[in-house]
Amino acid sequence: GQNIDQPTEMTATEGAIVQINCTYQTSGFNGLFWYQQHAGEAPTFLSYNVLDGLEEKGRFSSFLSRSKGYSYLLLKELQMKDSASYLCAVKGAGGSYIPTFGRGTSLIVHP
Amino acid sequence: NAGVMQNPRHLVRRRGQEARLRCSPMKGHSHVYWYRQLPEEGLKFMVYLQKENIIDESGMPKERFSAEFPKEGPSILRIQQVVRGDSAAYFCASSPDRSGGVREQFFGPGTRLTVL
Repeated sequence: GQNIDQPTEMTATEGAIVQINCTYQTSGFNGLFWYQQHAGEAPTFLSYNVLDGLEEKGRFSSFLSRSKGYSYLLLKELQMKDSASYLCAVKGAGGSYIPTFGRGTSLIVHP
Repeated sequence: NAGVMQNPRHLVRRRGQEARLRCSPMKGHSHVYWYRQLPEEGLKFMVYLQKENIIDESGMPKERFSAEFPKEGPSILRIQQVVRGDSAAYFCASSPDRSGGVREQFFGPGTRLTVL
């Protein structure tokens, strides 16, 4: 089976750095995604990790450790518009490429 | 290049009625996925389709729910005899028609179904 855990909610201050963790237990591993979802809107793609290490993309970075079943999303220089839900999704084994989504972490950025 | 389109954006139905949700994938995409999202919950996979074929419907309830992706036209998620528990946001995603590599999914804006 697939199990993905993320904190339910986090708060941070504008301009700060925040790290959102995701742990997973899946049948096989075929990549991990992070999506951002603002309230009432569609999820939008942020990052994809399939190998261990850090992927940096502007203010956002994503890290993966396959041996530990662990990933984090790092957001730097937080802005108010970063207040959103952040979804961790993992593709397990199999050829259908269907990811399993965590419940998401609701990030609240305050002034 | 238009993104994934879904309509209607909001749908209100009374118990027992039918709900039809439509999804037009991005141009050039032939893989469509339907997800359901309840408040405070993650996206739950329902069904994966390619043109004229259902590839994986393991997440779809056996009764009242059906999906299709015809050769021409949008993908349709159909819910018959809706109940209050069907109230949720239904998201459609599409991915490029390519083998291997990353099949990143692009999401539509969702249809919010409310059953009275």
